[in-house]
Amino acid sequence: AAGVIQSPRHLIKEKRETATLKCYPIPRHDTVYWYQQGPGQDPQFLISFYEKMQSDKGSIPDRFSAQQFSDYHSELNMSSLELGDSALYFCASSVRLAGVSDTQYFGPGTRLTVL
Amino acid sequence: GNSVTQMEGPVTLSEEAFLTINCTYTATGYPSLFWYVQYPGEGLQLLLKATKADDKGSNKGFEATYRKETTSFHLEKGSVQVSDSAVYFCALRPNFGNEKLTFGTGTRLTIIP
Repeated sequence: AAGVIQSPRHLIKEKRETATLKCYPIPRHDTVYWYQQGPGQDPQFLISFYEKMQSDKGSIPDRFSAQQFSDYHSELNMSSLELGDSALYFCASSVRLAGVSDTQYFGPGTRLTVL
Repeated sequence: GNSVTQMEGPVTLSEEAFLTINCTYTATGYPSLFWYVQYPGEGLQLLLKATKADDKGSNKGFEATYRKETTSFHLEKGSVQVSDSAVYFCALRPNFGNEKLTFGTGTRLTIIP
């Protein structure tokens, strides 16, 4: 079965650079979520999109922005990178049934290292 | 707000031992509950879920029962294997309003032969 695809899998950037992470949801899934997992920590919700509109926002820094495109893929744009942004970034997708989103399925993550 | 309290780790067990990882939650209403597993160097995989009180989720020999009266969703397995070594996350998702997952802190499980 098709899974959530994330690219790149690994990314190394310098401080103050920008990074773009991409997420391709499971086919026919209409909702995308972004989570950040610091070393040894639990995943923290950043932002979500349903049908290309932002549906919820968590602890996402103002330096970060995201969007969902017409083909439902999503991109997380991160600017002015800081050392503390080094983390594993997960994308998850789900489908909305009867107005409620079903189970979230996660991608393999993008490991971002900021030097 | 919503929160998940998970058994502190790490947990080390011998192969074929019985496993329990405790998870309790605080939430408004009746959320859906999940266990996700993260193997070394990999992403989060859904292990099992339960969407209403008294539901039992099960997969790969793991089980968890949604207990509304004790607001708990403890993970159990009767006989663990070395391949079960991973980090286990308990999570909840409200069934109305925002739909983000709230995770517990994770429990690192190591099974020794």
